[in-house]
Amino acid sequence: DAGVTQSPTHLIKTRGQQVTLRCSPKSGHDTVSWYQQALGQGPQFIFQYYEEEERQRGNFPDRFSGHQFPNYSSELNVNALLLGDSALYLCASSLADRVNEQFFGPGTRLTVL
Amino acid sequence: AQSVTQLGSHVSVSEGALVLLRCNYSSSVPPYLFWYVQYPNQGLQLLLKYTSAATLVKGINGFEAEFKKSETSFHLTKPSAHMSDAAEYFCAVSETYNTDKLIFGTGTRLQVFP
Repeated sequence: DAGVTQSPTHLIKTRGQQVTLRCSPKSGHDTVSWYQQALGQGPQFIFQYYEEEERQRGNFPDRFSGHQFPNYSSELNVNALLLGDSALYLCASSLADRVNEQFFGPGTRLTVL
Repeated sequence: AQSVTQLGSHVSVSEGALVLLRCNYSSSVPPYLFWYVQYPNQGLQLLLKYTSAATLVKGINGFEAEFKKSETSFHLTKPSAHMSDAAEYFCAVSETYNTDKLIFGTGTRLQVFP
């Protein structure tokens, strides 16, 4: 049984560019949450998707957007990248009725130069 | 607003010694509390969770935590540290069991010396 997978593992972009990160949830899970983990900090909640809709959102600007596909996989898009967007982006999947039993992927390390 | 505070960004213990990682929470409603571990270059793994059942919660790898409402604490302990326990540990809180996001602390890095 494959766990949560994320791609790519590492990414380098320059300021102003756009980036798309991808996440495949654990088999059987229908809810995907995204977190940003800056260096030396705890993860911060970006948003959560269920049934292809954004169900909750954290305190992140509209430059951060997402999508969930019918197969429950998800994308995180960040536009107009800033240096401060450099971080580890974690995807977590869960079941809708047990959202806080979240299984995390290994993350995508984004570096903005 | 909910929050968690992890006291001590770094904790060092000798192999075989007691591990104590501190977490205090703030919540206006009875919270759900979690401890996660993160090994280098990996995602987070759930160690244990408190969901208003027993106040002493046992998790994986010999870890346990006790929910103390009077102290608003949820400290993580392990009687005897192992070298493989060296990692970053995060305490997290949520207000509800379903639908709610996790609020994480800033983490505690555990070092284990031989």
